[in-house]
Amino acid sequence: DAGVTQSPTHLIKTRGQQVTLRCSPKSGHDTVSWYQQALGQGPQFIFQYYEEEERQRGNFPDRFSGHQFPNYSSELNVNALLLGDSALYLCASSLAGLSNQPQHFGDGTRLSIL
Amino acid sequence: DAKTTQPPSMDCAEGRAANLPCNHSTISGNEYVYWYRQIHSQGPQYIIHGLKNNETNEMASLIITEDRKSSTLILPHATLRDTAVYYCIVRETTSGSRLTFGEGTQLTVNP
Repeated sequence: DAGVTQSPTHLIKTRGQQVTLRCSPKSGHDTVSWYQQALGQGPQFIFQYYEEEERQRGNFPDRFSGHQFPNYSSELNVNALLLGDSALYLCASSLAGLSNQPQHFGDGTRLSIL
Repeated sequence: DAKTTQPPSMDCAEGRAANLPCNHSTISGNEYVYWYRQIHSQGPQYIIHGLKNNETNEMASLIITEDRKSSTLILPHATLRDTAVYYCIVRETTSGSRLTFGEGTQLTVNP
């Protein structure tokens, strides 16, 4: 039973570039959430996708956007990269409709901005 | 979401029980207490959650006080592999609700 998988594991970009990160949810899950974790801090919620639509959003600018595909996989896009976007980006999946089901995380993509 | 307060760090001897406290004095009736841990360079790992009653699974036990204003995560026999940052999170019961992480507790299990 495959867990949450993310790609790539590491990525280096320069300021002003654009990046796309990918996530495949745990088998049987239909909801994907994205989190940003800066060094030494807890993860911060970016947004959540369900039924190919953004359902919730945290306090992140419009440079952060996403997409969910019919197979429930998801992408996180960040435009006009800033040095402060350097972080571990985590994807978590869950099953909608069940109020007390935990989210399961992948091991993240480490994004470094030079 | 209600805010949680955890000690920044704790130490535990290998083989002994690790008791990690969490205060959530503003928790409301529709919020669960969740615990996750994050081992270095990995994503957060779900441990356990509860609403009112104490809970136990193969990883840990969760003790929630009667007034629900605090809880304790218990690892009954800590091993070196339990060294990690432990996050206590209060989460709404609404389906799909987000997780709001704090700073967590760095637990170090010593040989």
